[in-house]
Amino acid sequence: GAVVSQHPSRVICKSGTSVKIECRSLDFQATTMFWYRQFPKQSLMLMATSNEGSKATYEQGVEKDKFLINHASLTLSTLTVTSAHPEDSSFYICSAIGLAGGVSTDTQYFGPGTRLTVL
Amino acid sequence: LAKTTQPVSMDSYEGQEVNITCSHNNIATNDYITWYQQFPSQGPRFIIQGYKTKVTNEVASLFIPADRKSSTLSLPRVSLSDTAVYYCLVGSRMDSNYQLIWGAGTKLIIKP
Repeated sequence: GAVVSQHPSRVICKSGTSVKIECRSLDFQATTMFWYRQFPKQSLMLMATSNEGSKATYEQGVEKDKFLINHASLTLSTLTVTSAHPEDSSFYICSAIGLAGGVSTDTQYFGPGTRLTVL
Repeated sequence: LAKTTQPVSMDSYEGQEVNITCSHNNIATNDYITWYQQFPSQGPRFIIQGYKTKVTNEVASLFIPADRKSSTLSLPRVSLSDTAVYYCLVGSRMDSNYQLIWGAGTKLIIKP
């Protein structure tokens, strides 16, 4: 149980293009989803928190117009990197917190990550 | 906000018990503690979560002293496949708002 998928697992794009990453909770309803980025040999950096049906909350220093997040359903959140540039190249990971027996577990379950390379 | 501090790296040998400690001196009353394992180019995998005292599951134990200013992840009888980075997370939730403080990670290397 508590499986989270991400698609695509790897993407290479040209500078200036937009890239969409999908995050799905496969066997539970995700009340809250988180988006992280991770640079090599560094810890996870929280970018934003999204709750189903409401606007995402972005961490300080994260441009909301560049990193568009949509959490339209209890099983799907998307992150769109708009006008991507080489400095946006990173490992992007989503996580989801869901309901177990009607009570939030407060445990994040992570997707496998998406490697974005911007040329 | 609680700040989490954990060792940068640790070495051990197959079959040994490994204990990784995370310090979180400013932990708040509602904060819970979670540990994750991460392999290169993969998302973190949940190991264990606790609030106080001791929690045990099929893969690990989590020890939290009464003052909750630290927590120790205990991995029994490690194997080579336990070589990974281990993260400590201190988090809390109020309504739908989360406060999450991640440690920098401990790189654990298991030797034969």
